[in-house]
Amino acid sequence: AQSVTQLDSHVSVSEGTPVLLRCNYSSSYSPSLFWYVQHPNKGLQLLLKYTSAATLVKGINGFEAEFKKSETSFHLTKPSAHMSDAAEYFCVVRAGGSQGNLIFGKGTKLSVKP
Amino acid sequence: SQTIHQWPATLVQPVGSPLSLECTVEGTSNPNLYWYRQAAGRGLQLLFYSVGIGQISSEVPQNLSASRPQDRQFILSSKKLLLSDSGFYLCAWNLERLYGYTFGSGTRLTVV
Repeated sequence: AQSVTQLDSHVSVSEGTPVLLRCNYSSSYSPSLFWYVQHPNKGLQLLLKYTSAATLVKGINGFEAEFKKSETSFHLTKPSAHMSDAAEYFCVVRAGGSQGNLIFGKGTKLSVKP
Repeated sequence: SQTIHQWPATLVQPVGSPLSLECTVEGTSNPNLYWYRQAAGRGLQLLFYSVGIGQISSEVPQNLSASRPQDRQFILSSKKLLLSDSGFYLCAWNLERLYGYTFGSGTRLTVV
């Protein structure tokens, strides 16, 4: 069975410092993995996705994530945080096939201090 | 394997009409079940959750109700729809709230 665990419920960084949001997954086979962001009072927005191509995936707004099969991880990173990055971030795995259910992690709330 | 089914995918209903959205889960027993709504330009809002048959907790007072007649069935209802009920409704389940949620494919409801 597929599952996803976001290790931190809340991450706080200073503006201009790196961001690391951690995600570990469990999957019986090669997974499709996604990161979504939800800003306050906004809908879910897809940041990036991994679908068995390059293991380093670049997304919007300077975010990227690296698929590490040996560690079953898909951590989200950004070299330099911006105030506008403050939001809730969800790591998601698709459960089997292109029409499979999306399994969301609990979410990590990112705060950015000036 | 566990799957969650939600239907219909889209629905257009007139103001004042009733609503019934159904969600079923397969491959697991005694799941926690949730109804979320995502209104246009707004985030996911938890409407109802259920930890067992006949047990419903409402998070937000509104024009909607939920029922859980069977272990793996969760129904979202309304007697009279309002324009403000338009939105994207998502059913979800998990076994432990710690481990995240599996979402259905959603129902796009437009009240006209």
